[in-house]
Amino acid sequence: QKEVEQNSGPLSVPEGAIASLNCTYSDRGSQSFFWYRQYSGKSPELIMSIYSNGDKEDGRFTAQLNKASQYVSLLIRDSQPSDSATYLCAVLPDAGNMLTFGGGTRLMVKP
Amino acid sequence: SAVISQKPSRDICQRGTSLTIQCQVDSQVTMMFWYRQQPGQSLTLIATANQGSEATYESGFVIDKFPISRPNLTFSTLTVSNMSPEDSSIYLCSVERASYGYTFGSGTRLTVV
Repeated sequence: QKEVEQNSGPLSVPEGAIASLNCTYSDRGSQSFFWYRQYSGKSPELIMSIYSNGDKEDGRFTAQLNKASQYVSLLIRDSQPSDSATYLCAVLPDAGNMLTFGGGTRLMVKP
Repeated sequence: SAVISQKPSRDICQRGTSLTIQCQVDSQVTMMFWYRQQPGQSLTLIATANQGSEATYESGFVIDKFPISRPNLTFSTLTVSNMSPEDSSIYLCSVERASYGYTFGSGTRLTVV
């Protein structure tokens, strides 16, 4: 069974700090990786996608992918209280077109 | 991003009844996906709906319980049949489109009493 693992948290960081969210996956052939942010009571919102090894930056967000280690991470710089949410890692397996989601990490940014 | 309209946004239903959830997309898409998110849990794929063919269900989900229609390339419905309190969840539709990735509707929060 293809799995995506995340630490459920909560991960608590002070305002202005860097939040580091991690995700591992079991399907070595996976090619596409996504980070979603989900506020309580809302649907998931896509914030980052990454397909190649290395870093991808978008504003305060940086996604990092290491396919050899089957590891993808999301860094949030200058964390704000509005970043407090659950972050879901999703992986698209090599075969198929359905996303597999991790359990999510709850992030709390304290003023 | 793709505009996905989902309704109802929430409902409270009696056990033993059925609820049909609608999902409308602002442009044509090949596949639409239906997810369930139980309280405090992540998303679980129920089924994939292609226009003109039977939906493909994931392990643990059956057509009799979750019948799906896909009459055209912009619309789909998911019915939750013979509901029990265990069906209380958020139900989400999702589509994949180039440049937008996989995006979600606003969800239907279902409570079964």
